[in-house]
Amino acid sequence: AQRVTQPEKLLSVFKGAPVELKCNYSYSGSPELFWYVQYSRQRLQLLLRHISRESIKGFTADLNKGETSFHLKKPFAQEEDSAMYYCALRAAGNKLTFGGGTRVLVKP
Amino acid sequence: DAGVTQSPTHLIKTRGQQVTLRCSPKSGHDTVSWYQQALGQGPQFIFQYYEEEERQRGNFPDRFSGHQFPNYSSELNVNALLLGDSALYLCASSFQDRNYGYTFGSGTRLTVV
Repeated sequence: AQRVTQPEKLLSVFKGAPVELKCNYSYSGSPELFWYVQYSRQRLQLLLRHISRESIKGFTADLNKGETSFHLKKPFAQEEDSAMYYCALRAAGNKLTFGGGTRVLVKP
Repeated sequence: DAGVTQSPTHLIKTRGQQVTLRCSPKSGHDTVSWYQQALGQGPQFIFQYYEEEERQRGNFPDRFSGHQFPNYSSELNVNALLLGDSALYLCASSFQDRNYGYTFGSGTRLTVV
């Protein structure tokens, strides 16, 4: 069975500071990892996926199979980054397994 | 394109009652998945429909059932409602090709009293 763990429920950072959201997963096969974001009063939307190896809104995430992690990073947080962030894993079939989420609060 | 549309947006039901939630997928998508998101938790997979059949199911009891119609829209039915069924129910649509991503709806907030 697959599991996704986001150890931090809340991350509070000042504008311009770096932010890192941790995500660890357990899955015996080759997973596909995603980060989803939910801004206030908006629907859940895809932020980035590991196979794309792209940077979206300044965020990057690297899949570390040895540590089974997929941490999300941004060097300089902006106030508009305040949101709920969910790490998700897609294994066999098409279902997504989500972590519990991390709320990011960027203070001015 | 309206994206994924869910109805109703809010619903209050009494314990023991039955409820039906509806989802219209994004144009061009043929697969619908349902998720339950309890307060303060991440979404949990309920089941997925493709070609009008349930293809995958999560750890939910048989009280949770669904249907997909020829136009790809879907319904989620929950029988014998429990207080613990109170949650946000999300619908996500995708194309069966795994290279495509998921589009989520805004959800239906179900409160069981």
